[in-house]
Amino acid sequence: GQQLNQSPQSMFIQEGEDVSMNCTSSSIFNTWLWYKQDPGEGPVLLIALYKAGELTSNGRLTAQFGITRKDSFLNISASIPSDVGIYFCAGYGGATNKLIFGTGTLLAVQP
Amino acid sequence: DGGITQSPKYLFRKEGQNVTLSCEQNLNHDAMYWYRQDPGQGLRLIYYSQIVNDFQKGDIAEGYSVSREKKESFPLTVTSAQKNPTAFYLCASSIAGGRNEQFFGPGTRLTVL
Repeated sequence: GQQLNQSPQSMFIQEGEDVSMNCTSSSIFNTWLWYKQDPGEGPVLLIALYKAGELTSNGRLTAQFGITRKDSFLNISASIPSDVGIYFCAGYGGATNKLIFGTGTLLAVQP
Repeated sequence: DGGITQSPKYLFRKEGQNVTLSCEQNLNHDAMYWYRQDPGQGLRLIYYSQIVNDFQKGDIAEGYSVSREKKESFPLTVTSAQKNPTAFYLCASSIAGGRNEQFFGPGTRLTVL
């Protein structure tokens, strides 16, 4: 099945730093979702985006729906240790109603 | 509290045995989904159901079976025909089928011995 290209694969940062990650698709998407997964747990929905150019925040997290509709970005400001986990992008595109997932970005935050 | 529950959290089975994973939701969602997660990979769709008594195959349905007799419940059976069943299994639901936000349960880790 189709997968999204998500980068970077992993990030190791110091507490307090800002983080950026992105997701790209070869086809147009009309919904982007960002999830966070803690080890051994299910993904938790962070932000949902529905319109090209849309910029949405959830606390220290900000996500954007790219204007080309083929990409999305997630930024985390002033990272803290509990931000550790795997972040997944996901989206709906084309004629299918199946949610397609990126391969994830592993974030490690050193206190 | 509304949410999705999966049980058990950890499951061990011997090769050649069928095993059923439970998924229950009290969100009044119409649609439910089963995904498989392997290390370093995104989630892959096994089966989904948009309404009671109806379900469709996802991308990797071979070796799996499901039923949807109640709106709240969507159990997944991993059969002995599944060649590599050891994985983390995630159940999700959404308010309806189509392009809606999906919400996930805590997952079941299945290990075949």
